[in-house]
Amino acid sequence: DGGITQSPKYLFRKEGQNVTLSCEQNLNHDAMYWYRQDPGQGLRLIYYSQIVNDFQKGDIAEGYSVSREKKESFPLTVTSAQKNPTAFYLCASSIWIAGDNEQFFGPGTRLTVL
Amino acid sequence: AQSVTQLGSHVSVSEGALVLLRCNYSSSVPPYLFWYVQYPNQGLQLLLKYTSAATLVKGINGFEAEFKKSETSFHLTKPSAHMSDAAEYFCAMRGGGADGLTFGKGTHLIIQP
Repeated sequence: DGGITQSPKYLFRKEGQNVTLSCEQNLNHDAMYWYRQDPGQGLRLIYYSQIVNDFQKGDIAEGYSVSREKKESFPLTVTSAQKNPTAFYLCASSIWIAGDNEQFFGPGTRLTVL
Repeated sequence: AQSVTQLGSHVSVSEGALVLLRCNYSSSVPPYLFWYVQYPNQGLQLLLKYTSAATLVKGINGFEAEFKKSETSFHLTKPSAHMSDAAEYFCAMRGGGADGLTFGKGTHLIIQP
C-alpha cells in the first residue's frame, strides 16, 4: 500500500531537548511538507521541499529544521529554540508543488513538552 | 496576501438534515480550492477539489461544493447528514505560488441523533 508514515505517534520531550519527527512516503512524490496544527488554528506551514536537497521556510519556521537527503524522507527537528512546541504535527506530500495537486497526509505525531 | 475564512468553528445539524459548511477565500489570482476532513487524532483526507474545470464539484461520501467567483466562496454541502460525518472539516487554498496550502481554521461538524 502506498502512503505516508509518521513516527512516533506520540512523543514527549523535556524542555531544552531537540527531538526529530520522522516522515516517510512511498508515493514517489517530489514535494513534501510539514504542518503544525493547534486547536482552533487550522494548519500552518512549517517547511516544504520541492525536490531532494532543497527546502524552503514556511510561515512558522522559527525553532524548526528539516533535511531532504532522500526523496522518500523529510524529517523535522523541533529544536529547543521553539518556545511552544506542544502541538500535532502533520507531514504531507504531493506529486509536485504547484497547481491543483492535492496533498496526501500522514497520520500525525502529537508532541508534548513536559 | 491570500487567506481562507471558515465561518463557524462549530456547526451542529440533525441526522438526515442538510449540511452546509462555509468557506470564503481571498486571492489575487484564480485559486485552487480543496476541502479536507479530519477524524480525531488522524491525518487529513481529501473530500474534493476545485480546479476550474467545473464550478460544481462532487466529492467522496456524498459531499459537493460550488465555486462562486463573485462571492469568493467555496461552500461544502451534503443533502443528508450521517452520524459518521462528525469530524473536523478544513477548507484550503493554493494561489499562484509554489508552496504549501493555506488552510482555514476548521469547522467542527456535530451530528445530533
